[in-house]
Amino acid sequence: AQSVTQLDSQVPVFEEAPVELRCNYSSSVSVYLFWYVQYPNQGLQLLLKYLSGSTLVKGINGFEAEFNKSQTSFHLRKPSVHISDTAEYFCAGTQGGSEKLVFGKGTKLTVNP
Amino acid sequence: KAGVTQTPRYLIKTRGQQVTLSCSPISGHRSVSWYQQTPGQGLQFLFEYFSETQRNKGNFPGRFSGRQFSNSRSEMNVSTLELGDSALYLCASSWDNVEQYFGPGTRLTVT
Repeated sequence: AQSVTQLDSQVPVFEEAPVELRCNYSSSVSVYLFWYVQYPNQGLQLLLKYLSGSTLVKGINGFEAEFNKSQTSFHLRKPSVHISDTAEYFCAGTQGGSEKLVFGKGTKLTVNP
Repeated sequence: KAGVTQTPRYLIKTRGQQVTLSCSPISGHRSVSWYQQTPGQGLQFLFEYFSETQRNKGNFPGRFSGRQFSNSRSEMNVSTLELGDSALYLCASSWDNVEQYFGPGTRLTVT
């Protein structure tokens, strides 16, 4: 069974600093990977996705992620964060052909002035 | 295009009651999935419907059920509510079986 692990439950960072949110997955078959963001009292918004092809994926709001098959990782990065990036971020994966998303436990990103 | 809508947004129920939550997918999307989000267990998959048929089911007791109508709208039902059913219930729709778009959720509180 596939699992997704987010290594940090909370990440505090100062405004305009770079940030990396870590995600590892386990799977023995092809996999689709996603990063979602959740603002307080809202649903999930898709930041970016990896389906196949280029391992560097660019998403909305200046975020990007790199798929690394050898390290089974899909870390999310942003070179310079803003206060408005404060939210909870979820890494998720599926196995090809399945609609079922398996989520990590989430990482709360807090951007301080 | 309108996004995924869920009604109601907030709900308070008493233990032992039953509840029905509604989800309207994005126009043209035929797949609807439901997830439960709690502080302790995180986001967990409940079930997925496609063209009125349940295709996948998560590890939840039989008290949790759902259905999908011919217009792709979906409902989920929880019978005999327990305190532990308090959660944010999220609905997501998809047209390509890959990318899922989430609604704002229904916050259910069981007292």
